[in-house]
Amino acid sequence: ELKVEQNPLFLSMQEGKNYTIYCNYSTTSDRLYWYRQDPGKSLESLFVLLSNGAVKQEGRLMASLDTKARLSTLHITAAVHDLSATYFCAVAVIPNSGGSNYKLTFGKGTLLTVNP
Amino acid sequence: EAQVTQNPRYLITVTGKKLTVTCSQNMNHEYMSWYRQDPGLGLRQIYYSMNVEVTDKGDVPEGYKVSRKEKRNFPLILESPSPNQTSLYFCASSRRVNSPLHFGNGTRLTVT
Repeated sequence: ELKVEQNPLFLSMQEGKNYTIYCNYSTTSDRLYWYRQDPGKSLESLFVLLSNGAVKQEGRLMASLDTKARLSTLHITAAVHDLSATYFCAVAVIPNSGGSNYKLTFGKGTLLTVNP
Repeated sequence: EAQVTQNPRYLITVTGKKLTVTCSQNMNHEYMSWYRQDPGLGLRQIYYSMNVEVTDKGDVPEGYKVSRKEKRNFPLILESPSPNQTSLYFCASSRRVNSPLHFGNGTRLTVT
């Protein structure tokens, strides 16, 4: 069974600081996703990482994927209050039955609070 | 506007009373799936579907049914709801396997 672990689960940081959220997973996969959820809202896609060494950047967020280490990171640079949200990573695995269906397993999320 | 529409947004029901949560997408997406979100547990996949008439179980399928008779619709059926199914439910779709998910606005279900 695929396990996806995020840490930390809670992160309180000051504006202007840098920090990294980690996402470890237990089964071989080359597809990893990052989502953001604002309080009381739905989820929105941030990044799709599809190969080993993939790096994507959008504004103050940068995500990377190391499939050999089964690790993805979401790095926050010079945090601002608007980045306060819950961040989820999700890993896709094609079941043993094959085909094009795939299961998506989410981490428990990291609640990020950026303080002035 | 491209979107995933879930209905209803809020639902309070009693144990054992069958209910259906509808999900529709207007983006011609192949992949659709249902998740439940519970505090401290993140999102857990209930069922997913890669195409019409093709569905498969996610991690927590017990007590739920789905159908995919048309590409745009993917309803979630609770034949006999129980209090442990009280949760926030999200439907999502994506164009293909490697595409990001588009989520609906969620359905908050309370079973008493």
